Amino acid sequence: DIVMTQTPLSSPVTLGQPASISCRSSQSLVHSDGNTYLSWLQQRPGQPPRLLIYKISNRFSGVPDRFSGSGAGTDFTLKISRVEAEDVGVYYCTQATQFPRTFGQGTKVEIK
Amino acid sequence: QVQLQESGPGLVKPSGTLSLTCAVSGGSISSSNWWSWVRQPPGKGLEWIGEIYHSGSTNYNPSLKSRVTISVDKSKNQFSLKLSSVTAADTAVYYCARDGGSLSPAPGGLDYWGQGTLVTVSS
Repeated sequence: DIVMTQTPLSSPVTLGQPASISCRSSQSLVHSDGNTYLSWLQQRPGQPPRLLIYKISNRFSGVPDRFSGSGAGTDFTLKISRVEAEDVGVYYCTQATQFPRTFGQGTKVEIK
Repeated sequence: QVQLQESGPGLVKPSGTLSLTCAVSGGSISSSNWWSWVRQPPGKGLEWIGEIYHSGSTNYNPSLKSRVTISVDKSKNQFSLKLSSVTAADTAVYYCARDGGSLSPAPGGLDYWGQGTLVTVSS
């Protein structure tokens, strides 16, 4: 299985300040079709996960533009340009390049 | 807007079989997407269980494959999960989700999720 490793596991952030989460995979996530199936999910407290970003850097419908994704190969980053109170929750990276789909451990974003 | 809703018993006895159904509304289960089950033990992270296509093709997580069966009922626009020989380690919130296929708005992304249902394994 591809292991997804996120850092940090906890990120206290001041409102209005940026936040960054790193995700590293144990193998390249480039699929044989040329795409990289790395996505990011947000899970607010008591809620199901919600898709933020797919294929590294594409924002899903309705996702604010303060969220952005970048990276390639085995190293990926989710950035929040200015953290708002509604961004509190746990963020997961996940890969769908190789079966089985795997997830990172999650990064908890909280307000200082 | 696609919506998914899980249903099934919230309590299952050890060594029994966990059975859940996910009803899909606002879209057809016969669209070009896979349909997944994901679980989350209390206070822990996410684990992918498996997925099904409307044709009946399935992919399972090898860690659970010997105990998992996922099926689809196109007439009812729903799909189901069965997990056999359960133990306390199977206690989790179980989510169903749509897995975006190559023709979907979000290829490779789990773009729509149910609210989740807590299943507790206990005697």
